[in-house]
Amino acid sequence: DIVMTQSPDSLAVSLGERATINCKSSQSVLYSSNSKNYLAWYQQKPGRPPKLLIYWASTRESGVPDRFSGSGSGTDFTLTISSLQAEDVAVYYCQQYYSSPPTFGPGTKVDIK
Amino acid sequence: QITLKESGPTLVKPTQTLTLTCTLSGFALTTNGVGVGWIRQPPGKALEWLALIHWDDDKHYSPSLKSRLTITKDPSKNQVVLTMTNMDPVDTATYYCARKVGPVKIGWFGPWGQGVLVTVSS
Repeated sequence: DIVMTQSPDSLAVSLGERATINCKSSQSVLYSSNSKNYLAWYQQKPGRPPKLLIYWASTRESGVPDRFSGSGSGTDFTLTISSLQAEDVAVYYCQQYYSSPPTFGPGTKVDIK
Repeated sequence: QITLKESGPTLVKPTQTLTLTCTLSGFALTTNGVGVGWIRQPPGKALEWLALIHWDDDKHYSPSLKSRLTITKDPSKNQVVLTMTNMDPVDTATYYCARKVGPVKIGWFGPWGQGVLVTVSS
């Protein structure tokens, strides 16, 4: 199985400031034949199901604000919230779909400082 | 609008078999490329993928739970059913179903159902 790790475990950011979450896979999730990274990001607010934010490492899901962006390739990825809003308080998970079983990271909790 | 809704018992006893149903709306299991997965989340912990079934009945299971899981579909009811045998207190979790997306075998998931909290206790 591909093991996903995330850092930090939690972070607190002032409103309007940038939040950066890192995700690392134990092996590359870059598929050479199509040059796509098989990685997604989700947001989970308290008491709610996860919500898809980004897939193919950097493609925003329809309706997701453009303050959310994904980057990275191979084994190292980043989710950036460019200007943190109060409604962004949540736990964020990365997930690889390069191989079965799909695996999730342990999550990063984002709070307001 | 695409929605998924989980249903099933909220309390099961150790050693019992859990049966959960996911009812789909806004998309059909008979459509080429469609898949539905089950993912669980113990209280306060991370997400764990369990199983996935595709429109063509292709199935994938978590290797660590494969011996206990069965995923099936009923296209006439637009439902996906997950059974898990020999339930244990460590299986206490919120169980979600979600639509699998993407032109790949495994893919990403969205949207998700609201989830059902299943407690395993005698």
